Amino acid sequence: EVQLVESGGGLVKPGGSLRLSCAASGFTFSSYSMNWVRQAPGKGLEWVSSISSSSSYIYYADSVKGRFTISRDNAKNSLYLQMNSLRAEDTAVYYCARDTVAGNSDYWGQGTLVTVSS
Amino acid sequence: DIQMTQSPSSLSASVGDRVTITCRASQSISSYLNWYQQKPGKAPKLLIYAASSLQSGVPSRFSGSGSGTDFTLTISSLQPEDFATYYCQQSYSTLRAFGPGTKVDIK
Repeated sequence: EVQLVESGGGLVKPGGSLRLSCAASGFTFSSYSMNWVRQAPGKGLEWVSSISSSSSYIYYADSVKGRFTISRDNAKNSLYLQMNSLRAEDTAVYYCARDTVAGNSDYWGQGTLVTVSS
Repeated sequence: DIQMTQSPSSLSASVGDRVTITCRASQSISSYLNWYQQKPGKAPKLLIYAASSLQSGVPSRFSGSGSGTDFTLTISSLQPEDFATYYCQQSYSTLRAFGPGTKVDIK
């Protein structure tokens, strides 16, 4: 069974940093691209970042470029999102999601809440 | 960047109704269009990919159509479990924008 479990969310002050993790199991993690998607309270889905299976290709939404860094450790079946210079508008539930060759996200984690507030 | 819009933003419908949601891309995305369903407090669920392909396990009352810039999601006979918010997403560009969502609630 495919499972994606996010962790690392919490309360952080504006300007602070946080590192999210996503533990994957039930599939060959190293064969799939992965995504981070977020959802601010009461708002819609926002794609944040993608990373290819071997980390060769990385993409970011303009809203996080230069502040967030996506990475992965295929030996540990884990995906990460390093978030720096956090702003109030980064407050959201952050989901990791598996990417398919068709370009969709077929499995999602349960999400981890990041709150940026003083 | 490719922008996605959806209409309507919300709709009220009854069990058994036929429901159609529209998604439009700011430029042609061929058939690189996905649809997701999200219920409150839950992660999104993939319904349709490549504009019209039904994801495994998704009921056949869901269907998708369109290509280029205009796409539709149709629920042929709305069921109680279908009350949710629906999002389109383009996968033509590496910047995978979502539409703003369409909330379907009970009339």
